Amino acid sequence: EVQLVESGGGLVQPGGSLRLSCAASGFTFSSYWMSWVRQAPGKGLEWVANIKQDGSEEHYVDSVKGRFTISRDNAKNSLYLQMNSLRAEDTAVYYCARGRRYCSSTTCPLPYYFDYWGQGTLVTVSS
Amino acid sequence: QSALTQPASVSGSPGQSITISCTGTNSDVGGYNYVSWYQQHPGKAPKLMIYDVSNRPSGVSNRFSGSKSGNTASLTISGLQAEDEADYYCSSYTSSSTLVFGGGTKLTVL
Repeated sequence: EVQLVESGGGLVQPGGSLRLSCAASGFTFSSYWMSWVRQAPGKGLEWVANIKQDGSEEHYVDSVKGRFTISRDNAKNSLYLQMNSLRAEDTAVYYCARGRRYCSSTTCPLPYYFDYWGQGTLVTVSS
Repeated sequence: QSALTQPASVSGSPGQSITISCTGTNSDVGGYNYVSWYQQHPGKAPKLMIYDVSNRPSGVSNRFSGSKSGNTASLTISGLQAEDEADYYCSSYTSSSTLVFGGGTKLTVL
């Protein structure tokens, strides 16, 4: 059974840092792109970042570029999100998700759907 | 990238069919067959219901179906059941190689 379990959320002051973790099990972690998706309280979903299977490629939504870093440790079956210079608008539940995509003979997009999600971890940025 | 446009709410009675629309642009929904739909119950993680416009993952009821015409994608739920009451989100790949979600639709089963 695929399981994704996030941890590391909490209350942090504006300008502070936080590191989220996601422990994966039930599948070959090193074979999949992984992603972070967030949801502000009472709001919709927002894709945050993607990382390739071997960690050689990362992509971010514009609003977190330069502040957040996605990484992974395939030996530990773990995904991470280092969040620096946090702002009030970063307050959200952060979900770890397995990214999927369909590649044709001519096109191979970045992952564009998520087939498994964790339960989420709440990050609150407030003074 | 602006969020895709979904109706804030839809409702239907048990046994009926409902359709949720998701409108984007030529740069996302209209440009790719990379539209997905997610169901989210209160306090729970999203669940993938449809991918690649109309494909259902294993285990998802065939009461759920997806389609697309131009810049608008649609999710149809037939034979509504009480357990279908949830929030539904669409998403699409974009020409910027990013992913955009819709604002979400609250489905109420009357």
